[in-house]
Amino acid sequence: DARVTQTPRHKVTEMGQEVTMRCQPILGHNTVFWYRQTMMQGLELLAYFRNRAPLDDSGMPKDRFSAEMPDATLATLKIQPSEPRDSAVYFCASGFVITRGRLNTQYFGPGTRLTVL
Amino acid sequence: AQTVTQSQPEMSVQEAETVTLSCTYDTSENNYYLFWYKQPPSRQMILVIRQEAYKQQNATENRFSVNFQKAAKSFSLKISDSQLGDTAMYFCAFMKQIQGAQKLVFGQGTRLTINP
Repeated sequence: DARVTQTPRHKVTEMGQEVTMRCQPILGHNTVFWYRQTMMQGLELLAYFRNRAPLDDSGMPKDRFSAEMPDATLATLKIQPSEPRDSAVYFCASGFVITRGRLNTQYFGPGTRLTVL
Repeated sequence: AQTVTQSQPEMSVQEAETVTLSCTYDTSENNYYLFWYKQPPSRQMILVIRQEAYKQQNATENRFSVNFQKAAKSFSLKISDSQLGDTAMYFCAFMKQIQGAQKLVFGQGTRLTINP
């Protein structure tokens, strides 16, 4: 049963600290997405990758957030320095694109619940 | 810009009843995809059902079915014979193609409670 995995599941940190969240996409998937969920804003897309290349990170605060894919089995989302307003659940999702226009269902990981004090 | 609207913040029904969750969206595109995701208290996002806009036939998955009205830009979810395990937040999502990848835009969600 292939699943997207995320670590850690929960993270509590203090303002100013660096936070790194990790995601392992489903084997064989070539797209990875990072979403943030808050009560106020709902689900927001932060960044996405295709074949490990970042295609769009316009939803991500550039000054403190960064997203990378060191290899096909690992995606990371880093916040440095963290702020209380970053408290949210961060989801990673992966999917597979063959050609433009074809359906690409995104499968979500369990999320990382981040609390910044 | 594409938007997705779920007009029912909360709904509550008795077990075994049928419930319909509403979703409307706004887009100028002709080819797109629509999804319903379920988020139980565990916070896991679980795909419930998906619909390709070029298909006229409504998608069904066991007790879950959709009523897709393309002209009206409406995409409602019907849950038949509701079960306690259906209690969750339900998100309607629109998928658009941007630069070769497909991005989901979510509605604000409907909190569904199934009562015993």
